[in-house]
Amino acid sequence: DTGVSQDPRHKITKRGQNVTFRCDPISEHNRLYWYRQTLGQGPEFLTYFQNEAQLEKSRLLSDRFSAERPKGSFSTLEIQRTEQGDSAMYLCASSSRATIETQYFGPGTRLLVL
Amino acid sequence: AQSVTQLDSHVSVSEGTPVLLRCNYSSSYSPSLFWYVQHPNKGLQLLLKYTSAATLVKGINGFEAEFKKSETSFHLTKPSAHMSDAAEYFCVVSGNYGGSQGNLIFGKGTKLSVKP
Repeated sequence: DTGVSQDPRHKITKRGQNVTFRCDPISEHNRLYWYRQTLGQGPEFLTYFQNEAQLEKSRLLSDRFSAERPKGSFSTLEIQRTEQGDSAMYLCASSSRATIETQYFGPGTRLLVL
Repeated sequence: AQSVTQLDSHVSVSEGTPVLLRCNYSSSYSPSLFWYVQHPNKGLQLLLKYTSAATLVKGINGFEAEFKKSETSFHLTKPSAHMSDAAEYFCVVSGNYGGSQGNLIFGKGTKLSVKP
């Protein structure tokens, strides 16, 4: 499977705990994006990387959120001190230099904060 | 600022009848527009995209959309619905000119139900 992969697919945690999600983009895609989707809504942009550089962050990305892409390949999204409002589907997407605007999405990580 | 409005939160059709999912956009420049589909427990899949070439865009699975600048619309259509088309559909606009900044702006989605 050469698509975007995300791990884990599901995560249940208690309020106040830290969680980390991983995204592996399509091979050789230089751009990687994170989105959040809450129930009944469309995905909302969080942040994106071009290679290892984080180029844009949404106002949705509070100080408790941090994302990295250390070697320009996979990326991690960490949420510290989780809150119930963080419960959502976290989606990762990637795109190539040739077709920047065409983003390919992974299956998502569904987070439930109790 | 760029935005999209999906005019129906839920559309129900019978199998074999036409599908119309409506989307209006707002953009300060000529936008890039997309339709994505999301089946339950599956990732978002790109159906089609408009990037200032032909105004009638053909996508996968028999879907097509027409860009109408005068109406600021980008409605999605399919001549004959199939049971497998039941899913959530999102109209999407690129957040910045030429996609240089990368973010996509999604509508709230339209849930398509297909009755046998």
